[in-house]
Amino acid sequence: AQSVTQPDIHITVSEGASLELRCNYSYGATPYLFWYVQSPGQGLQLLLKYFSGDTLVQGIKGFEAEFKRSQSSFNLRKPSVHWSDAAEYFCAALYGNKLVFGAGTILRVKS
Amino acid sequence: GAVVSQHPSWVICKSGTSVKIECRSLDFQATTMFWYRQFPKQSLMLMATSNEGSKATYEQGVEKDKFLINHASLTLSTLTVTSAHPEDSSFYICSAREDRPTDYNEQFFGPGTRLTVL
Repeated sequence: AQSVTQPDIHITVSEGASLELRCNYSYGATPYLFWYVQSPGQGLQLLLKYFSGDTLVQGIKGFEAEFKRSQSSFNLRKPSVHWSDAAEYFCAALYGNKLVFGAGTILRVKS
Repeated sequence: GAVVSQHPSWVICKSGTSVKIECRSLDFQATTMFWYRQFPKQSLMLMATSNEGSKATYEQGVEKDKFLINHASLTLSTLTVTSAHPEDSSFYICSAREDRPTDYNEQFFGPGTRLTVL
């Protein structure tokens, strides 16, 4: 079945520290891959997407993600986290016409 | 960027009543709209896909008579939860997409509606 897995439910990092959020998608043809951020009371905002080509994609707010076909992974990274990055992050894959989301990772930033 | 709004942002209703949630695309024509449901600490689950002027396509396990979707115009879709019960309490999120002849058309998400059924 088509699925997206985010193994970490919660992650806490110190402000200024680096961040990596993990995401794996089910095997098969490489879908389009996305990372979204959801802040309380706000809709999902697209951080970045991968379709093809360069496996390292840059997004907004200083985020980047690396696609690794051999690991079926699309991990999100940021070199230095800011307190305003505290939110919930969703990885998603587009299978055909359908976006399939991971369960989300809640990021807490401690000062 | 494209903006999608939802109204209301939260609603509390009594069991047995019906609730209507609106989803509007404010600055683009939403050829296709999607309705998702999000349970606490869980992912967004697609409920249905609707195209303007045609019947919605429901995902497996979603009761079409329970969750009525109308997409009457290119800027408005509504989700009506009929005869709501406490188990229908959830966070409902819509998204909208303008379908153009390109490889990929982005979905833009609304802020969500929190439904609590007492």
